[in-house]
Amino acid sequence: QITLKESGPTLIKPTQTLTLTCTFSGFSLRTRGEGVGWIRQSPGDALEWLALILSNDDKRYKASLKNRLTITKDTSKNQVLLRMANVDPVDTATYYCAHRPATATLFYFDLWGQGMLVTVSS
Amino acid sequence: DIQMTQSPSTLSASVGDRVTITCRASRSVSGWLAWYQQKPGKAPSLLIYKANILESGVPSRFSGGGSETEFTLTINSLQPDDFATYFCQQYGSYFLTFGQGTKVEIK
Repeated sequence: QITLKESGPTLIKPTQTLTLTCTFSGFSLRTRGEGVGWIRQSPGDALEWLALILSNDDKRYKASLKNRLTITKDTSKNQVLLRMANVDPVDTATYYCAHRPATATLFYFDLWGQGMLVTVSS
Repeated sequence: DIQMTQSPSTLSASVGDRVTITCRASRSVSGWLAWYQQKPGKAPSLLIYKANILESGVPSRFSGGGSETEFTLTINSLQPDDFATYFCQQYGSYFLTFGQGTKVEIK
């Protein structure tokens, strides 16, 4: 059974760097084709894909945020980290991590974490 | 980025109705489209991928269709559990994008 859970600060000040951790179980990023993505959702708004990392360490970022985002994986801990530099109040959102199945062609997400609300405010 | 536009934004329907949601892409994504359902305060859950393949465990009253730039999600005989917001997601391009969502509410 695959599960994912997001963790990190719930409140962060503008200009700081946000680090979010996705801790997962039920699959391994040592397995070819497995992947984890990050998606956020501003209050009452649409979903916005941010980044994706695959087992072969292939990484993709939303173009407009590429300069601020870094995604990494720790296969020994079954974790994926997302760092977002220079946060702004507009980055206030619920952040989700999600599983990209190894059997998938290209990139959709079959299981999601519960999400965590991150508020950017001074 | 490919823009995904869903219509309608809100849909009022009754239990037992057949409803259809449309998702249009600003350029072709071939058949690389997924649909998700989201209930208030919950994470999205995958309904359909590759435009028309039902995810395991999803009721057969859900179906997807379309290709290239126009896609549909149809719910046959709407059930009380189906009142939720639905999002499409294209994965035919390097950068993934979602539609803005369609809220299905009780008439």
